[in-house]
Amino acid sequence: QVHLVQSGAEVKKPGASVKVSCKASGYTFTDYFIHWVRQAPGQGLEWMGCIDPNNGGTNYAQNFRGRITMSRDRSINTAYMELTSLIYDDTAVYYCARDIPGYSSNYDSWGQGTLVTVSS
Amino acid sequence: QSALTQPASVSGSPGQSIALSCTGTSSDVGGYNFVSWYQHHPGKAPKVMIYDVTNRPSGVSNRFSGSKSGNTASLTISGLQAEDEADYYCTSYTGSSTVFGTGTKVTVL
Repeated sequence: QVHLVQSGAEVKKPGASVKVSCKASGYTFTDYFIHWVRQAPGQGLEWMGCIDPNNGGTNYAQNFRGRITMSRDRSINTAYMELTSLIYDDTAVYYCARDIPGYSSNYDSWGQGTLVTVSS
Repeated sequence: QSALTQPASVSGSPGQSIALSCTGTSSDVGGYNFVSWYQHHPGKAPKVMIYDVTNRPSGVSNRFSGSKSGNTASLTISGLQAEDEADYYCTSYTGSSTVFGTGTKVTVL
C-alpha cells in the first residue's frame, strides 16, 4: 500500500527557513515524481514544484524560485522541501504528492499535510 | 502564472447534475490536454477525480466526467450526492509548470 508520511507541524519566525520531509513507502521511490502543493488558510491550492527522485532534477513554480529547494535521499525514500526567508503569508498546510513523470497531473497519493505557521 | 478561473461556488439538489468551469488561456488549458480535477474535503488530502481532461482514475465514480472546449474545461457531476459536497480544483500544464484553479465550493442543498 502506497504511503507518503510527512514531518510534523512547525512554527517559524519571519525570515527563518523550514524543511518539510515526505517519506514514501509501498512503491519504487524513483518511479514517481514528488510534487509539493500548499494551501494557506482560507485560500486555494498552490503548486510549488516537483522533484524527480531518480536524478534529483527539479522544476519550481516561478513564485518560489530563489527561496525554495527540493531534494531527496534515495537511501531512505524521502523527499524534502525547504523554503527560506519565510513571511507571514507562507503560513499554510504543505502537502507532498506523487505522480508519474510527464506533463499530466495525476496525484494519486498524498501526504497527510504539514502545517507551517510563521509567527513572531 | 496566474491561477485558472473557477466560479467561487456552485450548488445543486441531490440527484441533479452540475457543471463546474475552469477558464484559462491558450497557454495552459487551451494549449494542452493536461487538465485535471481534484476534490478536496477540508482537513483531508485532495483526491484526483479526472486527469488528462476526460480520464477517470480507477475507483472514481462514473458520475464524474470531464470535457474541454477552447480555453475552458468543465467537470460535470451527475446524480449529485451529499458526499460530493467539497471544494473542487482544476489544474493545467502550462508548458513549463502546473497551475491550479481558484477553486469551487460545491454545496448540496
